[in-house]
Amino acid sequence: GNSVTQMEGPVTLSEEAFLTINCTYTATGYPSLFWYVQYPGEGLQLLLKATKADDKGSNKGFEATYRKETTSFHLEKGSVQVSDSAVYFCALRRAGKSTFGDGTTLTVKP
Amino acid sequence: GAVVSQHPSWVICKSGTSVKIECRSLDFQATTMFWYRQFPKQSLMLMATSNEGSKATYEQGVEKDKFLINHASLTLSTLTVTSAHPEDSSFYICSARDSAGSNTGELFFGEGSRLTVL
Repeated sequence: GNSVTQMEGPVTLSEEAFLTINCTYTATGYPSLFWYVQYPGEGLQLLLKATKADDKGSNKGFEATYRKETTSFHLEKGSVQVSDSAVYFCALRRAGKSTFGDGTTLTVKP
Repeated sequence: GAVVSQHPSWVICKSGTSVKIECRSLDFQATTMFWYRQFPKQSLMLMATSNEGSKATYEQGVEKDKFLINHASLTLSTLTVTSAHPEDSSFYICSARDSAGSNTGELFFGEGSRLTVL
């Protein structure tokens, strides 16, 4: 079946540090890939997505590139802010069904 | 973007009672909605796929008689936790996909509903 593996957290960074959260997947065919962000006590919000190989999703300074050869979709941001503190979920969708990673908690300290 | 609203956002109930959680797509129609359960510091577990006008499709291990799902219109799905017990306490999240979109389209998530069963 399909699966998503995320870098284990929690991740703690200082403001303006570089962020990478690794995500790899296993799926049949060609899934769409997503990153979602969840702030405390809230539901998930779509952060970015990519629907085919070599696509780069980007939003709010975050980027992730769909790498078919390494089955990866790593999330990066060049300079994190305190307001980026949240839980980040990598997900894939195949045939209309979504599979989520376990989530990575990011804490950014001033 | 499109908005999905859940109600209530949090609810406390006594053991043995039933609780209904609503999920509404506010500005789009959703043939399909999804219900998830999220335990503290864990990922979302898909419970069931709610299909407008037909029976929900439940994931393996989810009791359909315990978690009743009704999708009576293109903008509303409800999850009823029947005879709730403390182990049912959790964060329940719904999501919906715009019916006009494709299978690769964006999923829109509700704010979540925190259920605490005493």
